[in-house]
Amino acid sequence: QTVVTQEPSFSVSPGGTVTLTCGLSSGSVSTSHFPSWYQQTPGQAPRTLIYSTDTRSSGVPDRFSGSILGNKAALTITGAQADDECDYYCVMYMGGGSWVFGGGTKLTVL
Amino acid sequence: EVQLVESGGDSVQPGGSLRLSCAASGFTFSSYAMTWVRQAPGKGLEWVSGISGSGDSTYYADSARGRFSISRDNSKNTLYLQMSGLRAEDTAVYYCAKVRSIMVRGVLDVWGKGTTVTVSS
Repeated sequence: QTVVTQEPSFSVSPGGTVTLTCGLSSGSVSTSHFPSWYQQTPGQAPRTLIYSTDTRSSGVPDRFSGSILGNKAALTITGAQADDECDYYCVMYMGGGSWVFGGGTKLTVL
Repeated sequence: EVQLVESGGDSVQPGGSLRLSCAASGFTFSSYAMTWVRQAPGKGLEWVSGISGSGDSTYYADSARGRFSISRDNSKNTLYLQMSGLRAEDTAVYYCAKVRSIMVRGVLDVWGKGTTVTVSS
């Protein structure tokens, strides 16, 4: 089964820019995977940030953006704020009615 | 406002059964596929199962196939997950999530707050 890979952790300075990535153990990410990104704070449900590669969900600030960089999906946060410190998950639609989530990235803002 | 509210989580012994429910509101329920996603304590998200808007097509992760059954009642705007043969590794928060399509494909766009299942003797 294909594994979806994310950086386990990342650090960014307040006001800085960070790019988190989401890759596949086999092959390249494409728009047909409908790559999506979710933000999760402890004890809370995931919040949809980006779907279908680069579409921001309603209410999500434009400092969050999605793209495909090389063979991976990417989530870029510009002007990082303290409350951006949480876990970020990507998910790929793998066909046949199934999805595979990445292991998540724990983002630290310091 | 689109809203999903899960219920039915409980503490159950290994080998036991449980039925989770997800009440939907704020959208035309039958026009969208739905899924269940779970998160074990301290772990990441895991897709469990999906069902088409009509209920005709169902899909399962390997970890759920043969033990879990997904269904929906479009007249009640409610999604279900019947779980049997529960194991300790099924302990998790279970979220229902709306698919941005009538078919089980594409994007998971709206999430409920989750319901907790604990499997322990």
